[in-house]
Amino acid sequence: SYELTQPPSVSVSLGQMARITCSGEGLAKKYAYWYQQKPGQFPVLVIYKDSERPSGIPERFYGSSAGTIVTLTISGVQAEDEADYYCSSTDSSGTLVVFGGGTKLTVL
Amino acid sequence: EVQLVESGGGLVQPGGSLRLSCAASGFTFSSYDMHWVRRATGKGLEWVSGIGSVGDTYYPGSVKGRFTISRENARNSLYLQMNSLRAGDTAVYYCARGLAAADTLYFDYWGQGTLVTVSS
Repeated sequence: SYELTQPPSVSVSLGQMARITCSGEGLAKKYAYWYQQKPGQFPVLVIYKDSERPSGIPERFYGSSAGTIVTLTISGVQAEDEADYYCSSTDSSGTLVVFGGGTKLTVL
Repeated sequence: EVQLVESGGGLVQPGGSLRLSCAASGFTFSSYDMHWVRRATGKGLEWVSGIGSVGDTYYPGSVKGRFTISRENARNSLYLQMNSLRAGDTAVYYCARGLAAADTLYFDYWGQGTLVTVSS
């Protein structure tokens, strides 16, 4: 089965840079997507097609890809960025969606 | 403005059934794939099912044979029929609009979610 692996937690000081990684064999051939979910809220798409940012998402959110690892970088982290972040992609058939286990970002 | 509003959640006993609905507005519903995604308390997001604009359906192994996704384009509505429910199906269920890019799927709009609790 297709799996995406994320660190369970990342901590960063206010105003510093946060990096959240996601690894999976299929990422070398498939786009990755990133979702932000704050407590009690629905998920929000923050990065699509590895590195594209939807309208309304701050420029401090940046996505990159290198082989089987994709990275979500948040520069100048704000208190409001504290949330769970999930990477996602699709299996080789192109029909089954997979999420990583999620990373809890804590802003110190 | 795109809006997705789920309903139908509630408390159900193990082995029971429940039907979730999602009312869509603000876009041409019939032109888009639609999906259900859930999140159990203390766990991560899990994709539950998807349906294409022409009615093709997809499920992960964890729900295949128990859950059925369907849509009614005339009513701008998405449904999820859940049978043989288990405690592990307890979660908030989200309706999401789907997009595709180079053989990958993703979700650009989500509903607020509806809570399903499976317990005796």
